[in-house]
Amino acid sequence: GQNIDQPTEMTATEGAIVQINCTYQTSGFNGLFWYQQHAGEAPTFLSYNVLDGLEEKGRFSSFLSRSKGYSYLLLKELQMKDSASYLCAGLAAAGNKLTFGGGTRVLVKP
Amino acid sequence: EPEVTQTPSHQVTQMGQEVILRCVPISNHLYFYWYRQILGQKVEFLVSFYNNEISEKSEIFDDQFSVERPDGSNFTLKIRSTKLEDSAMYFCASSEAGRREAFFGQGTRLTVV
Repeated sequence: GQNIDQPTEMTATEGAIVQINCTYQTSGFNGLFWYQQHAGEAPTFLSYNVLDGLEEKGRFSSFLSRSKGYSYLLLKELQMKDSASYLCAGLAAAGNKLTFGGGTRVLVKP
Repeated sequence: EPEVTQTPSHQVTQMGQEVILRCVPISNHLYFYWYRQILGQKVEFLVSFYNNEISEKSEIFDDQFSVERPDGSNFTLKIRSTKLEDSAMYFCASSEAGRREAFFGQGTRLTVV
């Protein structure tokens, strides 16, 4: 199958930086999305990378390397409200289907 | 800010019953999707819909499932004869164009007893 792999859980301190890595099979996907999901709520869109490189959006940045099948989401100046699951999702090479990873639960501590 | 809305927020149904989950996508969006998330598991793709027809569906989306756009605003998911394993959060999503970010509704939590 076409897997999206990301760590299960990460802990960081308020004000710090956390980097969430995501790896995937390069042949299966042609774009990478990051979503935030608070417990019991809907995923909310954070970023979309289709080309290699870094996309910065305020406190959130996302990086993609298509040749390596690797992406990361960088969260800076962590706030308590950033405690959530962060979902990496690959866009199929054809069509519009998203394949989600299992999510990385980030716990921000004071 | 425009958003995808879903009703009901919770639905409890008996095994074997039919359920219809309703969604109102963002008004200028052309692509519509259903995803589901079993408690504690990954978000899984069910079906995509464009130009009044299914454009893609997953293995989960068998003959028990159907989608419909009955009018210009609603998008529905019907499960004909629910099974216990259909218990999940069902998310509707829409996107302005293909291969663009999808915006998700708040979900319908379906419990089959």
